[in-house]
Amino acid sequence: ETGVTQSPTHLIKTRGQQVTLRCSSQSGHNTVSWYQQALGQGPQFIFQYYREEENGRGNFPPRFSGLQFPNYSSELNVNALELDDSALYLCASSGGGLDTEAFFGQGTRLTVV
Amino acid sequence: AQRVTQPEKLLSVFKGAPVELKCNYSYSGSPELFWYVQYSRQRLQLLLRHISRESIKGFTADLNKGETSFHLKKPFAQEEDSAMYYCALSKAAGNKLTFGGGTRVLVKP
Repeated sequence: ETGVTQSPTHLIKTRGQQVTLRCSSQSGHNTVSWYQQALGQGPQFIFQYYREEENGRGNFPPRFSGLQFPNYSSELNVNALELDDSALYLCASSGGGLDTEAFFGQGTRLTVV
Repeated sequence: AQRVTQPEKLLSVFKGAPVELKCNYSYSGSPELFWYVQYSRQRLQLLLRHISRESIKGFTADLNKGETSFHLKKPFAQEEDSAMYYCALSKAAGNKLTFGGGTRVLVKP
């Protein structure tokens, strides 16, 4: 059984560019959630995907979008990058349903310059 | 909207001393409460959740709905407990978590 993996681990982008972050969910998990963690703060919920459909969204603008694929891996896309988008982006997978534990990836550190 | 507050950014205790991490929440309903921990160079992981009512690594947490609190306690801290601790709330099954700002625990020898 493999855990949650995210790629890339680090990247640097210029303001105004677009970025795609990737997440492979843990084997057997059909739910993926994305979080943004700014320096010195707790993670903030961006959105969740369940069986390829968006299943809830936090207080983030539409330029944050996502996808989930049939194998339950997921992408987070951010358009028109802003300096404040610099953060650690975490992906978490869970099995769905009631009372399930969320397993986190190691995160992608995005720096916008 | 739900909110989780962890008033202490840093807790420094000596090995063998008790440690208590405070967590208060606001939510109009019956939330699920969690404590997540991140050890140095490791990923965020679940420590315990209120519905399990179990002790993990000597830690316990009691949900007090009257005070809307979910404080984490350990009677005798160990050096390996040094880590970042996050309290989190989920308003329903499905793990859409609202996290607090985190408390860094430093256990000194």
